[in-house]
Amino acid sequence: KAGVTQTPRYLIKTRGQQVTLSCSPISGHRSVSWYQQTPGQGLQFLFEYFSETQRNKGNFPGRFSGRQFSNSRSEMNVSTLELGDSALYLCASSFSHRGPYNEQFFGPGTRLTVL
Amino acid sequence: KNEVEQSPQNLTAQEGEFITINCSYSVGISALHWLQQHPGGGIVSLFMLSSGKKKHGRLIATINIQEKHSSLHITASHPRDSAVYICAVDLGATNKLIFGTGTLLAVQP
Repeated sequence: KAGVTQTPRYLIKTRGQQVTLSCSPISGHRSVSWYQQTPGQGLQFLFEYFSETQRNKGNFPGRFSGRQFSNSRSEMNVSTLELGDSALYLCASSFSHRGPYNEQFFGPGTRLTVL
Repeated sequence: KNEVEQSPQNLTAQEGEFITINCSYSVGISALHWLQQHPGGGIVSLFMLSSGKKKHGRLIATINIQEKHSSLHITASHPRDSAVYICAVDLGATNKLIFGTGTLLAVQP
């Protein structure tokens, strides 16, 4: 079974631009979570989608948004990029969000650099 | 104060040594995850546990819910174990993980 895939793997943007990152979960997984990793703040939760609905959102500004499609693939969008948005963006998928079924499997990440 | 604390932050060991990494948390949780991250970024889930103990190869994870504490043990450590080990907690079947700051482990041959 293929793992979690993320595209693109690397991205360079300039301040003020917007960016869209994509995540394809493991087949059969319905939950996708997004995380931001920076040297200063470490790993932080962005949001989680389950069955096309955003269930949880972390403490990030409204410039960060996401969505999930009917095939469970998810995208996240960052508008009006700032230098501080430079980070590794990771997505993780799990079968569900309950009980023993929410072990998360991580993708390789998208490294975003904002110049 | 962080909700998830790990210790030590950095650890250097000689090949073959027994290694312990600790994680303490201050909130009620439904599960605790141990993750491994190699240079380059990729994260691998090692364990998810809500009670007791789990073992996988040379890795052992334990959790004490009453004391809000978990440990990750590596037996017979090897240079390929060198990585950052991250503890993360799930507050309540939410998939919203809160992460510790990680432990950078270097195993020298």
